[in-house]
Amino acid sequence: RKEVEQDPGPFNVPEGATVAFNCTYSNSASQSFFWYRQDCRKEPKLLMSVYSSGNEDGRFTAQLNRASQYISLLIRDSKLSDSATYLCVVNAAGSYQLTFGKGTKLSVIP
Amino acid sequence: EAGVAQSPRYKIIEKRQSVAFWCNPISGHATLYWYQQILGQGPKLLIQFQNNGVVDDSQLPKDRFSAERLKGVDSTLKIQPAKLEDSAVYLCASSKIEGTVYNEQFFGPGTRLTVL
Repeated sequence: RKEVEQDPGPFNVPEGATVAFNCTYSNSASQSFFWYRQDCRKEPKLLMSVYSSGNEDGRFTAQLNRASQYISLLIRDSKLSDSATYLCVVNAAGSYQLTFGKGTKLSVIP
Repeated sequence: EAGVAQSPRYKIIEKRQSVAFWCNPISGHATLYWYQQILGQGPKLLIQFQNNGVVDDSQLPKDRFSAERLKGVDSTLKIQPAKLEDSAVYLCASSKIEGTVYNEQFFGPGTRLTVL
């Protein structure tokens, strides 16, 4: 089993749609969880951290289920500017290292 | 605040040649990372420095890759000799260290390497 697995995608959705991405991780000692966004031919940038209680930032909602080792990202009211690859990222306890999933590509269509 | 700087942005070489990449992290960031991102994959950590010491280089192919951060600021990553499978984007990232709390990693624009 890979350390971080994501929906393969690509996701092609119309503007205004709601889309959800899922991610599972294999290391139960993982401590911190993130979603990074990577635009085409650009560097990854932190979108949001994921907390056990769930957290929301505008149209974006992240959820964590430690028992199932599962992370999700929900995007509501999709915008054209949301088109990017979304990377699920996990940080092991006691380490500053990040382990990235392969990413899920989202294309928001007019 | 200036971001992470990398150069060159693009490099094309033939297999068996050597290549070097340079990175200057955000001022004050003690930790520096080099990642390799192959097309269609997420970034994979190659090496992590804290100040001028190596924290983890377990995924660095040491027969051909080397990296250094001599003065604890900027860093170079070298490949010698290059193979076709080294074609990728090489990303440098940096972060602060504050106790054991994870701090956000900031990435540079990357160097896109093509090995022919």
